[in-house]
Amino acid sequence: GQNIDQPTEMTATEGAIVQINCTYQTSGFNGLFWYQQHAGEAPTFLSYNVLDGLEEKGRFSSFLSRSKGYSYLLLKELQMKDSASYLCAVSPPGNTPLVFGKGTRLSVIA
Amino acid sequence: NAGVMQNPRHLVRRRGQEARLRCSPMKGHSHVYWYRQLPEEGLKFMVYLQKENIIDESGMPKERFSAEFPKEGPSILRIQQVVRGDSAAYFCASSLDFNYGYTFGSGTRLTVV
Repeated sequence: GQNIDQPTEMTATEGAIVQINCTYQTSGFNGLFWYQQHAGEAPTFLSYNVLDGLEEKGRFSSFLSRSKGYSYLLLKELQMKDSASYLCAVSPPGNTPLVFGKGTRLSVIA
Repeated sequence: NAGVMQNPRHLVRRRGQEARLRCSPMKGHSHVYWYRQLPEEGLKFMVYLQKENIIDESGMPKERFSAEFPKEGPSILRIQQVVRGDSAAYFCASSLDFNYGYTFGSGTRLTVV
């Protein structure tokens, strides 16, 4: 089975940097995804990591360590519109669809 | 190129009625996934379908719930004899390749009264 842990809530200041952690325990692993979900809206794809290391995409970066079962999403130069839930999802082996964590609700304050 | 279309956006049903949720995947996508989301909870997998086939329904309750993805037309998630505990947001996602590049629809918010 899969177990995915993320902090429930985080608060950060506009213009700052925030790191959202995700740890997972799985019986197999085919990659890790991060999604952003604004309240009442659809989740939207942010990043995908399958190899160890850092993937950078504009203000957002995602890191993966397969040996440690650990990932983080780094958001730089925070903006008010970044207030949302951030969902970590693991792709298990075989034909098993993505397994999502409960999400981290980020509040960006002035 | 329209995204994943779900309808209705909001659905209110009385206990005991049937709910039918529709999902049209992105053009060219043949993999469809249904997830349920309760307030303060993550997305819980329900069922994974490809055209005319159910690939994995391990997350879907055995009773009252069914899903289909016919050769023509949208995927349908059907909930019979709804109960208050079925109230949730139901999201559909589609992908071109299995487990990569999910595009989600805006969801159907089901309220059972």
